[in-house]
Amino acid sequence: AQTVTQSQPEMSVQEAETVTLSCTYDTSESNYYLFWYKQPPSRQMILVIRQEAYKQQNATENRFSVNFQKAAKSFSLKISDSQLGDTAMYFCAFMKPGGGSEKLVFGKGTKLTVNP
Amino acid sequence: EPEVTQTPSHQVTQMGQEVILRCVPISNHLYFYWYRQILGQKVEFLVSFYNNEISEKSEIFDDQFSVERPDGSNFTLKIRSTKLEDSAMYFCASSHLLRPNTEAFFGQGTRLTVV
Repeated sequence: AQTVTQSQPEMSVQEAETVTLSCTYDTSESNYYLFWYKQPPSRQMILVIRQEAYKQQNATENRFSVNFQKAAKSFSLKISDSQLGDTAMYFCAFMKPGGGSEKLVFGKGTKLTVNP
Repeated sequence: EPEVTQTPSHQVTQMGQEVILRCVPISNHLYFYWYRQILGQKVEFLVSFYNNEISEKSEIFDDQFSVERPDGSNFTLKIRSTKLEDSAMYFCASSHLLRPNTEAFFGQGTRLTVV
């Protein structure tokens, strides 16, 4: 079974600075997807960024980028120019495609606070 | 932009009562899911539904739980006899079969409180 580990329960960063959230995972699969989801105080789950394991190039979405190290099974999220609206829980998630179920396996989350 | 809609946003129920949580997935999506998040904890997979049947379920999804897609648009989660420990946020999600754009879209959640 796949597991996802987020070793930082809480982090804080000053507005406009850069922060990196860590995620490691364990799997024997070679084809899979990794995601970062954001959960603001409203508790809605919002997709931040997605990475396909077969792609070597790291995904980027505006101020959000990942450092995907497949051999090390590491998938960190970098948030540049942090904004107050980035304050939220961030969940790393793993998904193995196919088999009639594409469930997400989540880590425990990192609570990020952006300070003014 | 299409979205997953869940109702109600908050449900309070007495222990032992049945509850039905409702979801309207995005119309062209083929995979449907329920996840649960106990307050302060991680999001946990409950069940996936594809082609009108359960494709996978977790250990949490015992005989007290059932899912149904009664009319081709709604997707429901029923808890037959609620327990205090069922209090949680329940998220419905849906995804399209087409890759590589596989992405689960989540509803805003239903907060279930069992008293």
